[in-house]
Amino acid sequence: GDQVEQSPSALSLHEGTGSALRCNFTTTMRAVQWFRKNSRGSLINLFYLASGTKENGRLKSAFDSKERYSTLHIRDAQLEDSGTYFCAAGGNNRIFFGDGTQLVVKP
Amino acid sequence: DAGVTQTPRHEVAEKGQTIILKCEPVSGHNDLFWYRQTKIQGLELLSYFRSKSLMEDGGAFKDRFKAEMLNSSFSTLKIQPTEPKDSAVYLCASSLNRDEQYFGPGTRLTVL
Repeated sequence: GDQVEQSPSALSLHEGTGSALRCNFTTTMRAVQWFRKNSRGSLINLFYLASGTKENGRLKSAFDSKERYSTLHIRDAQLEDSGTYFCAAGGNNRIFFGDGTQLVVKP
Repeated sequence: DAGVTQTPRHEVAEKGQTIILKCEPVSGHNDLFWYRQTKIQGLELLSYFRSKSLMEDGGAFKDRFKAEMLNSSFSTLKIQPTEPKDSAVYLCASSLNRDEQYFGPGTRLTVL
């Protein structure tokens, strides 16, 4: 079965608002990484966490290995934040990706 | 700054052929990883190099998969001979001291 459950699958935000993406894991993961897919299909790193929280500008991420989840918070969303966001988590030589969240930011 | 580059982006091979995938890591990174990505298995590690030395070879993939790193800025993954079950996306990633990994765009391999 799927090791990573990412939600929501799609999200629409108005400029200036915020929301959170979430990944739940069916097993204990060693670390989590959040990406955004760029226009060329490459994965751009947003955060890498082995525990705790990290913040970068309008983005903030948290990872709780024991409770088996990670979140990505976006505040004051801008048009250029639109895209597909993925979480990936793993351990034991395997990394499992969520199915992605397609974010659309509207004026 | 150039990220991780991979070529080709797409490859179609007949069963039994030999194919070579290429990867250039981020300049200055000392770790390089080759993964195979499928929907069912997620990302499976094929090989891991630290400063050009092979550290992990992915166990089950030894027989037909061989990764090499001839210099710090270039790596190849050879699959010989290819089988239809090898159809997948092959990702290369690099990192500095096993910190966050930077992924290339991947090579989508289809084996007929």
